[in-house]
Amino acid sequence: ELKVEQNPLFLSMQEGKNYTIYCNYSTTSDRLYWYRQDPGKSLESLFVLLSNGAVKQEGRLMASLDTKARLSTLHITAAVHDLSATYFCAVDYYGGSQGNLIFGKGTKLSVKP
Amino acid sequence: KAGVTQTPRYLIKTRGQQVTLSCSPISGHRSVSWYQQTPGQGLQFLFEYFSETQRNKGNFPGRFSGRQFSNSRSEMNVSTLELGDSALYLCASSLVRGTGSNYGYTFGSGTRLTVV
Repeated sequence: ELKVEQNPLFLSMQEGKNYTIYCNYSTTSDRLYWYRQDPGKSLESLFVLLSNGAVKQEGRLMASLDTKARLSTLHITAAVHDLSATYFCAVDYYGGSQGNLIFGKGTKLSVKP
Repeated sequence: KAGVTQTPRYLIKTRGQQVTLSCSPISGHRSVSWYQQTPGQGLQFLFEYFSETQRNKGNFPGRFSGRQFSNSRSEMNVSTLELGDSALYLCASSLVRGTGSNYGYTFGSGTRLTVV
């Protein structure tokens, strides 16, 4: 069974600061996704990471994937209030009853002025 | 292009009733997966459909069922509703089935089900 662990689960940041969210997974996979969820809303796709060493950036967010270490990071640069949301990583894995997309528990990010 | 459409957006049902939720995937996408999201359990996989066939099923009781039509639209049904079925139900659309989805999975807006 594939396990996906995110940390931290809760993150309170000040505007302008940098921080990194970590996503570890237990079984080999070459594909990892990051999603953002605002309260009461659906999942918005942020990044699709398809290979070892993949790095993608969008605005103040940058995601990377190290398949050998089974680790992905989501780095936040100079946080702003609009980034407050819950961030999920999800690993692409054909895992039977677990489904194709295995999610971490999410990191609830709160950016304060 | 149109995204993933889920209807209805909100539902309030009474215990013991049944409910049907609908999901229309992105045009051309043939794989539809359903997830239940609750504060306690997070995102849990319900089922996956591809080409009108259920390819995979999560660990949910038989009260949860689904199907997919020839146009790739999918429905899920929950019978004999329980309070614990209150959740956000999300469907995800993808171009291909299983691993290898270079384009990822696109989620619909979800159906918020409340059982009273």
